[in-house]
Amino acid sequence: NAGVMQNPRHLVRRRGQEARLRCSPMKGHSHVYWYRQLPEEGLKFMVYLQKENIIDESGMPKERFSAEFPKEGPSILRIQQVVRGDSAAYFCASSPRWQDNEQFFGPGTRLTVL
Amino acid sequence: SQQGEEDPQALSIQEGENATMNCSYKTSINNLQWYRQNSGRGLVHLILIRSNEREKHSGRLRVTLDTSKKSSSLLITASRAADTASYFCAMLQTGANNLFFGTGTRLTVIP
Repeated sequence: NAGVMQNPRHLVRRRGQEARLRCSPMKGHSHVYWYRQLPEEGLKFMVYLQKENIIDESGMPKERFSAEFPKEGPSILRIQQVVRGDSAAYFCASSPRWQDNEQFFGPGTRLTVL
Repeated sequence: SQQGEEDPQALSIQEGENATMNCSYKTSINNLQWYRQNSGRGLVHLILIRSNEREKHSGRLRVTLDTSKKSSSLLITASRAADTASYFCAMLQTGANNLFFGTGTRLTVIP
């Protein structure tokens, strides 16, 4: 049973470009969470999705950021018109059901904005 | 913010010694989890303790939870150089959908 997969592992973008990060949850998991980690800090929650639904996006910046988890395929975190402050590690986690379960984390995507 | 506070921020010990990390939080929780993160890598889940539990063991790990003090501790016994990593507590707040992470403790085990 493969773990949570994220790609790309490293992504370099110039200011103003778009970044698209993908996350495939563990088999049988229908809940996906995205977190952001700035250097030397802990993880901060961004968004929680189930298939085709955004359940909680309270941690997501209001502009330029969006997320989806379609019926088929991976979850996508999209950052439009990236700025240097978006440089961070973005982690995806999945769980079989919400509440009271451990979340399994992917290896992360390290985004560098030049 | 429900982000937990961990102390110490950094801990350096000799191989074979025990390492204790503490985590404090602010509101009620369903469970508290501990994760390890090696430099530049993803998170590895270590242990989950529910709000109605007081202590839990897993191999060389021992976790305690005191909900009256809103605090938890992670003890790693007989440490090894391979235990060198950052350790984070993460709380599932009652009624929330996501984990709130602590600030992390950077552990260095000297061979």
